[in-house]
Amino acid sequence: AQSVTQLDSQVPVFEEAPVELRCNYSSSVSVYLFWYVQYPNQGLQLLLKYLSGSTLVKGINGFEAEFNKSQTSFHLRKPSVHISDTAEYFCAVSRRGSQGNLIFGKGTKLSVKP
Amino acid sequence: EPEVTQTPSHQVTQMGQEVILRCVPISNHLYFYWYRQILGQKVEFLVSFYNNEISEKSEIFDDQFSVERPDGSNFTLKIRSTKLEDSAMYFCASSELELPTNTGELFFGEGSRLTVL
Repeated sequence: AQSVTQLDSQVPVFEEAPVELRCNYSSSVSVYLFWYVQYPNQGLQLLLKYLSGSTLVKGINGFEAEFNKSQTSFHLRKPSVHISDTAEYFCAVSRRGSQGNLIFGKGTKLSVKP
Repeated sequence: EPEVTQTPSHQVTQMGQEVILRCVPISNHLYFYWYRQILGQKVEFLVSFYNNEISEKSEIFDDQFSVERPDGSNFTLKIRSTKLEDSAMYFCASSELELPTNTGELFFGEGSRLTVL
């Protein structure tokens, strides 16, 4: 079985500061990794995904994440955040061969202050 | 931009009542999903649906739950006899291509909040 741990439930940062949202996963089989964002009163939107290849993946809105197999991590980073990045961020994994069965973490609320 | 739409946005029901949550997936998508999020907990997979049948379901998706694509546009989740613990936000999602071996992604609706009293 797969599981996802997002260590920080809330991350407050000031505008233009860098941010890292942590995600660790456990799985006995190969997985795909995703980050989704949920803005207030909206659905989940895909930020980026790792399927294979380069371990550094770039997504929308200037976010990137690095897959680290040895540490079973997939941390999300942005070098300079904006007020508009205030949202909840969800890390998710899916087992290879599974059709849309995403296992989500509990989410991290990013709050960007002026 | 095409989007997944869900209705109602919020429904309040009495325990034991039947509830139907409706979703209109993106029109050219072939795979449909329901997820739920109990307040303060993780988003959980319920079921995936393709070619008019369930392709995968979780342990949560027991006999009280059913899904249907009654016409060419709607995708519904029915809960036959709601329990207090069914209170949650229910998300519908759809995807165009088979996941996740290509660039296909899940597109989520805004959710339907179900409150069972």
